[in-house]
Amino acid sequence: GENVEQHPSTLSVQEGDSAVIKCTYSDSASNYFPWYKQELGKGPQLIIDIRSNVGEKKDQRIAVTLNKTAKHFSLHITETQPEDSAVYFCAASIGDSWGKLQFGAGTQVVVTP
Amino acid sequence: KAGVTQTPRYLIKTRGQQVTLSCSPISGHRSVSWYQQTPGQGLQFLFEYFSETQRNKGNFPGRFSGRQFSNSRSEMNVSTLELGDSALYLCASSSTGPDTQYFGPGTRLTVL
Repeated sequence: GENVEQHPSTLSVQEGDSAVIKCTYSDSASNYFPWYKQELGKGPQLIIDIRSNVGEKKDQRIAVTLNKTAKHFSLHITETQPEDSAVYFCAASIGDSWGKLQFGAGTQVVVTP
Repeated sequence: KAGVTQTPRYLIKTRGQQVTLSCSPISGHRSVSWYQQTPGQGLQFLFEYFSETQRNKGNFPGRFSGRQFSNSRSEMNVSTLELGDSALYLCASSSTGPDTQYFGPGTRLTVL
């Protein structure tokens, strides 16, 4: 069945350093890949997303890359700040239905000043 | 625009009871998806509604059901609650399909 694996499960970085989170997916029909940030007591907040016809997308300090052949995509956060500390989830559409997402297990990112 | 709202934010129920959760999507959004979040299983898709019709369904037992109204507001119902149903229930809305999903704050359900 559909599966999204996410690594690492925890990531500690010094303020100002970069953070990279990697995900792999199994469904060849997946064509939409969002990333969400979840802070304690809140719902997931979309931070960036990418569609299958794009290899890379950037928004200020955040970038996502997609390799459809290898079925993996990555989140890159540069110049990390303490407010970047949260749990980050990758997700992939199940088939071509964007309303149905398969999520990775999450990465706890801790940015220390 | 106001974001996705969910009510109630917290619920405590006992085994065997049933519960109804409500979700109001972002104005203009017609698709609502529901997810269950637990520490053990993570975020799991429950179902998606679009224009009052269930469009997708996840792998959950029939005790979990939902519906959507003509104003796009959605409810989900869990009957015969079990301890394992304790979770954060999240709904997400998008304008049509396919489109980006925006999540609400969730309803924290505790089953005793």
